[in-house]
Amino acid sequence: AQSVAQPEDQVNVAEGNPLTVKCTYSVSGNPYLFWYVQYPNRGLQFLLKYITGDNLVKGSYGFEAEFNKSQTSFHLKKPSALVSDSALYFCAVRVLLSGNTPLVFGKGTRLSVIA
Amino acid sequence: NAGVTQTPKFQVLKTGQSMTLQCAQDMNHEYMSWYRQDPGMGLRLIHYSVGAGITDQGEVPNGYNVSRSTTEDFPLRLLSAAPSQTSVYFCASRERYGYTFGSGTRLTVV
Repeated sequence: AQSVAQPEDQVNVAEGNPLTVKCTYSVSGNPYLFWYVQYPNRGLQFLLKYITGDNLVKGSYGFEAEFNKSQTSFHLKKPSALVSDSALYFCAVRVLLSGNTPLVFGKGTRLSVIA
Repeated sequence: NAGVTQTPKFQVLKTGQSMTLQCAQDMNHEYMSWYRQDPGMGLRLIHYSVGAGITDQGEVPNGYNVSRSTTEDFPLRLLSAAPSQTSVYFCASRERYGYTFGSGTRLTVV
């Protein structure tokens, strides 16, 4: 079975500092990895995905993530955090096998950027 | 192009009442799914459908029914609401790699 772990419930960072939100995954097969962001009382917004190719993926709002197969990780990063980045972040994984496999989410990490 | 539309946005039910959460997409996606979001639990898959007439259970299907009569619509039915079903519900459709989520339905069962 596939699973995603976001080991930190909460991440606090000062505005202007780099931020990292961690994600590790467990799958049997090649993973498709996603990051979503949820602002208060809003739906899920797509940030970026890794399907294949370059391990460094660039996404919306200056975010990027690096796929590391040996460490089974897909950490989300941003060089300089903004207060407006404060939100709930979800990592998700899907394995493309025969038949339909679901998109499985981590439990989420709340990012707080302090001015 | 509206994407994925969910109605209603908010709903309060009494225990034992029934209701249907509506989900419609205009992207001609074959795959659609329902998730529930609870604090500290992330999003968990309730049911999904790979096309009209085909549905299957996800991780937390108990207490929910679905049907898929058209490609566009994938309603989620609560036959007898329970307080444990208080949650935020998201519908999503999928093309090959990308998912599109609706804006959610916040359901409270009292």
